Amino acid sequence: QQQVKQSPQSLIVQKGGISIINCAYENTAFDYFPWYQQFPGKGPALLIAIRPDVSEKKEGRFTISFNKSAKQFSLHIMDSQPGDSATYFCAANPTSKAAGNKLTFGGGTRVLVKP
Amino acid sequence: DTEVTQTPKHLVMGMTNKKSLKCEQHMGHRAMYWYKQKAKKPPELMFVYSYEKLSINESVPSRFSPECPNSSLLNLHLHALQPEDSALYLCASSQETRTGTNYGYTFGSGTRLTVV
Repeated sequence: QQQVKQSPQSLIVQKGGISIINCAYENTAFDYFPWYQQFPGKGPALLIAIRPDVSEKKEGRFTISFNKSAKQFSLHIMDSQPGDSATYFCAANPTSKAAGNKLTFGGGTRVLVKP
Repeated sequence: DTEVTQTPKHLVMGMTNKKSLKCEQHMGHRAMYWYKQKAKKPPELMFVYSYEKLSINESVPSRFSPECPNSSLLNLHLHALQPEDSALYLCASSQETRTGTNYGYTFGSGTRLTVV
């Protein structure tokens, strides 16, 4: 059972456009929501993360929007650049110490930014 | 030092071989992880070490044997693997969460394993 659902699976955007990736979760114990960026042949790199006590977080061209009641969160990449072409994973972590720091990943979105 | 270093970067092994993957971090993180990633899929958790003790084993076959010799090192010993075990093996670390607070993971670049 996939606990974090991510869409779309792939995305093509023109340079300068906005890339939007959406994620939804069911487990209300999740309380930490990071996004990872992965280039081919590399490990995932932490891009930006949010906790449920805020509805939006912005770091440079990357913004997370969080809707706790809907159990949804999204990543917006503003002014998309060819160098942003990568696979993006949303993820979630539960609060429970018993569960450990067990990160659950979404299925991933392959983003291609065309020049 | 803000990196997780994995060696080797590439490994080809036969089904009767024994090999080991190594992971090292010097960020003072007390939680370390092994993940397996197939092409076009998200990483799948294999093992979690917390303060050098195995805390989570995601029902991984015994042909994979993890080891955490100290707080900076994590090994994954491989024996009698199958071709379907070919994948990118990722190591990660994070601050420990005994307080219940979660932190982001730092991933290494992985070892690309091919079993022939």
